[in-house]
Amino acid sequence: DADVTQTPRNRITKTGKRIMLECSQTKGHDRMYWYRQDPGLGLRLIYYSFDVKDINKGEISDGYSVSRQAQAKFSLSLESAIPNQTALYFCATSDPGSSGNTIYFGEGSWLTVV
Amino acid sequence: AQSVTQPDIHITVSEGASLELRCNYSYGATPYLFWYVQSPGQGLQLLLKYFSGDTLVQGIKGFEAEFKRSQSSFNLRKPSVHWSDAAEYFCAVGAVEYGNKLVFGAGTILRVKS
Repeated sequence: DADVTQTPRNRITKTGKRIMLECSQTKGHDRMYWYRQDPGLGLRLIYYSFDVKDINKGEISDGYSVSRQAQAKFSLSLESAIPNQTALYFCATSDPGSSGNTIYFGEGSWLTVV
Repeated sequence: AQSVTQPDIHITVSEGASLELRCNYSYGATPYLFWYVQSPGQGLQLLLKYFSGDTLVQGIKGFEAEFKRSQSSFNLRKPSVHWSDAAEYFCAVGAVEYGNKLVFGAGTILRVKS
């Protein structure tokens, strides 16, 4: 089983709909992240959480919200999806104790907004 | 703020030829440097990382990278490329001064011709 699991892996949704992407991890890490990948732009940080009570905006948080339900669970919501949110979304975890905060990624969730 | 530049969007090499992928960065005083690889339809896999010490680091799949502080570079190399190396490669930098969050380059797509 994967250490970082994302659901759904693929989703097509309509403009204006609310959509949630879920992430769970078995690595026992406190830190979790949501990134978005677009061609030619690499990965950009949407939100990050250093523990259950700590939520922070990344560089592109507008239009997104997150919830850290437990140490192992971190969900990303699009309150009202728009077509330019079509992208590949990655959840990730890290442990600051493991030298330099190496980040471990899930397999990604493809989201298409039509 | 941290930034990462991967100057080459696409690179094509012949199977068996050597490879060098470039990465330049701006950072705080103590950078952490990473290379990740993403095969088509897959998540990101860590190839190697540099935190401190020996500036030449070895990674998986026969890859290595050299940290050159004077040039602000962390180039990825492989002496002999295999067809299975065709993928997209991402350089990333983190720093204690920025809470160890990673900033990614835009990626370099490697094509391998037989």
